[in-house]
Amino acid sequence: KAGVTQTPRYLIKTRGQQVTLSCSPISGHRSVSWYQQTPGQGLQFLFEYFSETQRNKGNFPGRFSGRQFSNSRSEMNVSTLELGDSALYLCASSFRTGTGVDEQFFGPGTRLTVL
Amino acid sequence: DQQVKQNSPSLSVQEGRISILNCDYTNSMFDYFLWYKKYPAEGPTFLISISSIKDKNEDGRFTVFLNKSAKHLSLHIVPSQPGDSAVYFCAATKGADGLTFGKGTHLIIQP
Repeated sequence: KAGVTQTPRYLIKTRGQQVTLSCSPISGHRSVSWYQQTPGQGLQFLFEYFSETQRNKGNFPGRFSGRQFSNSRSEMNVSTLELGDSALYLCASSFRTGTGVDEQFFGPGTRLTVL
Repeated sequence: DQQVKQNSPSLSVQEGRISILNCDYTNSMFDYFLWYKKYPAEGPTFLISISSIKDKNEDGRFTVFLNKSAKHLSLHIVPSQPGDSAVYFCAATKGADGLTFGKGTHLIIQP
C-alpha cells in the first residue's frame, strides 16, 4: 500500500507570494491533517479535513487555508508569504472510525523556504 | 503557551542501556497520548500510544508510562539500539482535536 505523498518536496518562494502544497493520503483514508514544523515551535497543528469538510483548525492566521477533494486528496494554501512561514509542512492521513484516536501516517513533508 | 513540553532537547545513551524520554503536559483535558519517531528528511512515524485511563502500555522494547496526577509521561526503550537514534515527539489530543506536539528530543545512541 502506497504511503502518504506530498508534492513538491522543496519549494522556494519570496515574501508576498502565495503557495499551494499538495497531499495524497493513503488509499481508503478519509482524514487529512496538516502540520507546520519549525525549529522554534516544533510541530504545530494547522487543520484537519474529513470528507471534504474542515473538521478542526489550529491557531494559525487566515492566510493559511486548505481544502479536500472528493478523492480525499488535500491542498494547503498560504497567501502573502512571510519569512516566518519558512518551515517543513507535514501532511498526515488516518482512517477515522469515530470511536477514538486513530494512528496518523505522515508524509515526508514539503520544505518551504521564503526569501 | 506550550501545552506539551519536552524539556530535554537531546539525550545521549549507550547502546544496550535504557533510554528514558520525558514529556510534561498542562492541559488536563487531554485523553490520549502518542509518541512519534522522526528520522531526518522523513515524516514522523507512530511508535506507541496510551489512553488517559491507563498508566502503562508496552509494545516490544517500548513502554510508555502515564502519571496523570503529575501530568507526566515517559517513553522507555530497552535495550537501546543504534537504529533508535532519531528525534522523538510526544503528542497529546482530546476528543477529535488535532494533535498537540512537544518540540522533540533528539536521542543519540552511542556504540
